[in-house]
Parts: sequence; structure tokens; C-alpha cells
Amino acid sequence: AQKVTQAQTEISVVEKEDVTLDCVYETRDTTYYLFWYKQPPSGELVFLIRRNSFDEQNEISGRYSWNFQKSTSSFNFTITASQVVDSAVYFCALSDPIKAAGNKLTFGGGTRVLVKP
Amino acid sequence: DAGVIQSPRHEVTEMGQEVTLRCKPISGHNSLFWYRQTMMRGLELLIYFNNNVPIDDSGMPEDRFSAKMPNASFSTLKIQPSEPRDSAVYFCASSFQSTGVGEKLFFGSGTQLSVL
Repeated sequence: AQKVTQAQTEISVVEKEDVTLDCVYETRDTTYYLFWYKQPPSGELVFLIRRNSFDEQNEISGRYSWNFQKSTSSFNFTITASQVVDSAVYFCALSDPIKAAGNKLTFGGGTRVLVKP
Repeated sequence: DAGVIQSPRHEVTEMGQEVTLRCKPISGHNSLFWYRQTMMRGLELLIYFNNNVPIDDSGMPEDRFSAKMPNASFSTLKIQPSEPRDSAVYFCASSFQSTGVGEKLFFGSGTQLSVL
């Protein structure tokens, strides 16, 4: 069965510090997708990034960057120069095929990030 | 384009009452998901519809829960009778799925359910 583990339940930083969120996954599939979602205090789930299992290149988008390492089954997320608006719960997720009819997402437990001014 | 629309945003009810949550997926999407979020269990999938057909309902907790998707633009999740332990945030999500492709899910704003 698919499994996603986010060992850090909560991280507190001061504004402008960098913060790295860990994500470790388990799957027997050879082709799969990994995702990060953000849940701000308002409650909605906002898509951040999707990576497939064949693309191990790191990705940077503004202050966000992602490090995918297949050898260690990890897909870590770094926020550089954090801001108060980054305060949210961040979820890592793994695609999980369903009976040849698409896929669902299996989520990790989430990491709450608190950025203090 | 409008996103996934859920109603109501908040629902407070008494134990034993029937609760109906509603969802309108993004137009053109062929897959719809109901997730439940609690502190104890995190985000868990309740049921998944593909082309209006329930494909995986293994996450539905018990017979008190039922979900329908009568057409491509509407789905309901019903709890009857409701219990305090059903209190949670219920999310609806939609996507366009084709076999073997890891499509992202678009989530609604959720329904915060409180059963007293």
C-alpha cells in the first residue's frame, strides 16, 4: 500500500529563515507522481507542485524549491527566506492508481509551518 | 473558470440528524473525490467517482455514509444519522483523469461539519 510520511508535525521559524519540510514515501509502483499542497489558515487546499518518478531534477519556483531523491524515496520542500504569509500546513501526497481508472492521492499527515515576524 | 464549489461552508447539527453535503466539480472534469480531514486521521479518501460511477468506496466509514453522483456536475455526501465523531472538514475534489496519469486534484473550500 502507498504510504507518505511527514515526520515533522510543526516547524516554527522567524521570518527570513529558510525552512525545509521532509517527505518520505513508500510505493511499489515504478511510475508514480508526487505532489505538495498548501493549506493556509483559510482552509482550502492549494496545489503547489507535481513531479513524476522519472524526473529527478530539482525544481525552483520563486522562494520554493523541491528536492526529489528516488534513492531515498524522499521529496523534500524548502521555503527560502520565509515570510509570514507562508504560515500554513503543507501536505505531501503520492498518486495511487485505482483499478485502471485514474488515481487518487494518498496524503501525508502534514507539517504545520509557523513563520513569526 | 469557477473552481470546485461546495456547500454549505459550515454545518452545525445535532446528533441523529441527517446531513447532506453538496459539491459541484469543475466543468469538464471526469473524476470526483470526497475526502475527510480530522486531527486524528488527517486527510482520508472516502469515495472516488469516475464518469459518475463510484469506483472506490473503501474509505466510507460505515453504512451511515452514502454518496451519489447523479450527473457530471453534482455530487452529494449524506450522513444519516449523524454522530459527534463525524465532526470534521469534508473536502470535495475533482480532476480530469486518464489511465496511468497522475493528475492533480482541485479541491473545494471544504465543509466544516460539527455534530453536537
